[in-house]
Amino acid sequence: EAQVTQNPRYLITVTGKKLTVTCSQNMNHEYMSWYRQDPGLGLRQIYYSMNVEVTDKGDVPEGYKVSRKEKRNFPLILESPSPNQTSLYFCASTELGSQQETQYFGPGTRLLVL
Amino acid sequence: KQEVTQIPAALSVPEGENLVLNCSFTDSAIYNLQWFRQDPGKGLTSLLLIQSSQREQTSGRLNASLDKSSGRSTLYIAASQPGDSATYLCAVSETSGSRLTFGEGTQLTVNP
Repeated sequence: EAQVTQNPRYLITVTGKKLTVTCSQNMNHEYMSWYRQDPGLGLRQIYYSMNVEVTDKGDVPEGYKVSRKEKRNFPLILESPSPNQTSLYFCASTELGSQQETQYFGPGTRLLVL
Repeated sequence: KQEVTQIPAALSVPEGENLVLNCSFTDSAIYNLQWFRQDPGKGLTSLLLIQSSQREQTSGRLNASLDKSSGRSTLYIAASQPGDSATYLCAVSETSGSRLTFGEGTQLTVNP
């Protein structure tokens, strides 16, 4: 089954404690990205990657890092989480150059930073 | 900067009704437009994608139209069912491989 998976699904942490949210897709997609969803602000892109070892900032990259060492994985790293990073996070992937470039989303990771 | 607006923000209808959800965007130079469904506690499910050169797409009881020049799209749901209850999101991309710009969604409730 074609899918995007994220782990963990729910996470409660404290300010300053480094954490990583993993994302993996099994569709051999080149393009992967991270979004956060906040009430009143909608979904906003954090980082994206066009291929292995190619990453770039989205609209709200401050406080986040990413890496793309393998095509299927695109982890989101919060080096020193702060309460304003409490949010619902989604990973997405798509096949670049395909006729439609439908974006596939993971199930989301709900993060609470105390 | 592209902005996407969805109206109404919330909609409650009795089962069986046909309904229309609206999406407007400020910059007509888009690559494609996607409609998603979001259920509580779950991710986004792509419903329909309309390329910029297309006028509409259909899938089952769903029909999405695109009027690029006026910056509008509508999602038509025929014979609504309680299982259609969810938040519907509209999103546009401006080029191949670019980010999606989302509206804030329409929260739909279909009452039995």
